This record gives sequence, C-alpha cells and structure tokens, in this order.
Amino acid sequence: DTAVSQTPKYLVTQMGNDKSIKCEQNLGHDTMYWYKQDSKKFLKIMFSYNNKELIINETVPNRFSPKSPDKAHLNLHINSLELGDSAVYFCASSQRSGEIYEQYFGPGTRLTVT
Amino acid sequence: ILNVEQSPQSLHVQEGDSTNFTCSFPSSNFYALHWYRWETAKSPEALFVMTLNGDEKKKGRISATLNTKEGYSYLYIKGSQPEDSATYLCAFPGANNLFFGTGTRLTVIP
Repeated sequence: DTAVSQTPKYLVTQMGNDKSIKCEQNLGHDTMYWYKQDSKKFLKIMFSYNNKELIINETVPNRFSPKSPDKAHLNLHINSLELGDSAVYFCASSQRSGEIYEQYFGPGTRLTVT
Repeated sequence: ILNVEQSPQSLHVQEGDSTNFTCSFPSSNFYALHWYRWETAKSPEALFVMTLNGDEKKKGRISATLNTKEGYSYLYIKGSQPEDSATYLCAFPGANNLFFGTGTRLTVIP
C-alpha cells in the first residue's frame, strides 16, 4: 500500500495554463507538506498544513495555492504557469507538526512547462 | 532560513569500504536532527531522528551520532554496498518546517 501518493507523476503543460497536483496520505497523519526540488536538486519547503490549517507559507509566488479538502489530502494548484515552475514537486506528511516527527515523502511529480 | 551544511558534497567508495560524512547545523535552540536517504528516481526516506546530545542510532550497517553542543552529526556506513548508493540528507527543524542540507551523494563502486 502506498503511504503517500501523488498524481500525476509527470505533467507537461504550456506557459499560462493552470494545473493541479494531487497528494493523498493513508497514514492518518495530521500534517502535510509540499516541497519543490530546485534546479540544484535542493529540497525547498513551499507549504505545510496541519489539520487543514496552513501553518507556514514560504515566500512562494501567490500563483501557487495549497488546497486541503480533508486531513488526508493536500493538493497544489498552480495558476499561470511559467517556465521557471518546471521542477519536481514532492508531497510529504508527518504524524504531527513538530521537530521530532519524521516525514514521509510521495514519489514526486515532474512538472515541465514549455 | 537555517544554515545546514553537509560535507563532502559527493563521495565515491569501493564496495566493502566503510565511510562517513558530516552534517553541521546551528547549535543553539536545538530540538532534533533528521537524516534521510534519497535514492535516484525515488523519494527521500527517513533514516533517523536524533534528539539527545551524544545520541547514537543504528539501522543495519548505517549509524549516526549527534553532538548538539558543537552542532554536528556524523553518518557512518560500514562495509558499503552498491545498494547504499544514494544522496544522504540531513535536516534541521525550525518554525514547523524542516530545512534540508544539500546532501552527500554517495556512489559505491562494485
């Protein structure tokens, strides 16, 4: 059973389009995250949600918006896609928010904007 | 943004060799230090969460130590195998988030 799943795995789209990436976790965790793997392969936090409440929001463009219909899902919606948005996006979850809780990552979604 | 540094950036070892690498983090306001293993084309997987100064954790041939006073952690791999080839990330929590280091990319040569 997949603990953290993301769909789609690959997404190719044109500049200016709006797209969503879905994430689901079946671990019963309270907190979910979105990370972007940048061009240098670094993992950078974008958002996290704890019990459907946004608890951090890093300095990402407001074209990116997280949406959490319930505790098990955290979707990432991107408006007006730009070339620079091309990256691998990872969803993750942890049992609680807090320093001692390890994070479980999804398989990643490779977004290519042409 | 917290400064988490890892060294070396990359490492090649022969199968059977033991190896280690370093994670440096802010020593003030320490809560925990995470280690993750990230294989190519896969997603990061948690290895250890360390919380106590002097802590040592072990999982198979992989172990880690922690020095919170001087702000570093070592990851050791004993008798490296080709399947150990991966990027090893450490992460330092702050403000309900994890700040990841840049990783050490390990290649084990058969």
